[in-house]
Amino acid sequence: AQSVAQPEDQVNVAEGNPLTVKCTYSVSGNPYLFWYVQYPNRGLQFLLKYITGDNLVKGSYGFEAEFNKSQTSFHLKKPSALVSDSALYFCAVRDSNSGAGSYQLTFGKGTKLSVIP
Amino acid sequence: DAGVIQSPRHEVTEMGQEVTLRCKPISGHDYLFWYRQTMMRGLELLIYFNNNVPIDDSGMPEDRFSAKMPNASFSTLKIQPSEPRDSAVYFCASSPAVAGAPLNEQFFGPGTRLTVL
Repeated sequence: AQSVAQPEDQVNVAEGNPLTVKCTYSVSGNPYLFWYVQYPNRGLQFLLKYITGDNLVKGSYGFEAEFNKSQTSFHLKKPSALVSDSALYFCAVRDSNSGAGSYQLTFGKGTKLSVIP
Repeated sequence: DAGVIQSPRHEVTEMGQEVTLRCKPISGHDYLFWYRQTMMRGLELLIYFNNNVPIDDSGMPEDRFSAKMPNASFSTLKIQPSEPRDSAVYFCASSPAVAGAPLNEQFFGPGTRLTVL
């Protein structure tokens, strides 16, 4: 079974400071990992993904994430936070060993990021 | 493209009434997903379709829930009868196929906020 955990319900960071939103996962095969962002009253928007290759993945709006197989983590990072980054962030995983035809993404509970001016 | 379109955006109904939520996926996308989002349970996959055929409905909570996709451009999620615990935001998402599998970069609609009194 695949699962994902976001250990922090909320992260507060000052504008201009680096931010990290944490995510850990559990799969039986290889993980396909994703980050999505949700702004108030909106649907989720895709930010970035890791399928294979370079462990550092760059995505939209200056975000990046680092895949760490030994720690089973996929933390989202940004060097300098903006007030407009304030939103709900979701990590998601799909197990490469999920059955044929099974394309479910399992989402974490979400982390609310607040960037303080 | 206008993106994934959902209607209505808000629905308030009384317990026992039938509720129908509608979704128009992005043209050309072969996969359509229905999710439910609540504070307690986070984002849950209810059902997904491939080329208008339901593939996995194991997330549908009860027989009160049903979903159809009569053609490539329209899907409905019906709750009959509705109960207060069905109150949630319901999202529709679509995804194009790559080598027969969804891209996993799912494109979400704005959601329907359902309140059952």
